[in-house]
Amino acid sequence: NAGVTQTPKFQVLKTGQSMTLQCAQDMNHNSMYWYRQDPGMGLRLIYYSASEGTTDKGEVPNGYNVSRLNKREFSLRLESAAPSQTSVYFCASSLRQGLAYEQYFGPGTRLTVT
Amino acid sequence: GESVGLHLPTLSVQEGDNSIINCAYSNSASDYFIWYKQESGKGPQFIIDIRSNMDKRQGQRVTVLLNKTVKHLSLQIAATQPGDSAVYFCAETLSGYSTLTFGKGTMLLVSP
Repeated sequence: NAGVTQTPKFQVLKTGQSMTLQCAQDMNHNSMYWYRQDPGMGLRLIYYSASEGTTDKGEVPNGYNVSRLNKREFSLRLESAAPSQTSVYFCASSLRQGLAYEQYFGPGTRLTVT
Repeated sequence: GESVGLHLPTLSVQEGDNSIINCAYSNSASDYFIWYKQESGKGPQFIIDIRSNMDKRQGQRVTVLLNKTVKHLSLQIAATQPGDSAVYFCAETLSGYSTLTFGKGTMLLVSP
């Protein structure tokens, strides 16, 4: 049982490049989330998916898109990367639809945009 | 990882001391609160939670206190160990909501 896995672990992009961050969970959770973490800012929610087939914007969605590919997988896409998107990105999942209880986090992707 | 700690409030303690980490939450309607621990280079891990119908909840070496009057949470760690060194976040939500709101975090440094 691997929990929440994220790929890649590290990535460097040039301004304007695109990429997709991958996330998968093997806990049969219904809800999945993408956060970014910046120094001194805590975790800020980018997008979430309360259940398979639904996605909603969080606090900081601009510049990102998401896809809930199936119950296990939730990807985050940067269409045209900007230096302001340099951050650590965390994916998380939780068991029950509509409840944020006990979110389980992946190890993070460290993204640098130059 | 280490970049998370920049500009964070820091609490430095000696091994064996009791630690108290504080958090002011933002929404008076929030009714569920969680403490997370984040070690360097890792994702946050659940420590303990509390519902708004409680003032105190105890776990193994940890206690969470909730003061709804002043919208304040605290995490007490007994007999702090070097392995407790991490950034600690509180998070709040309202029952039925899908999302958590996280605080900015406090770095705990434990010296042997």
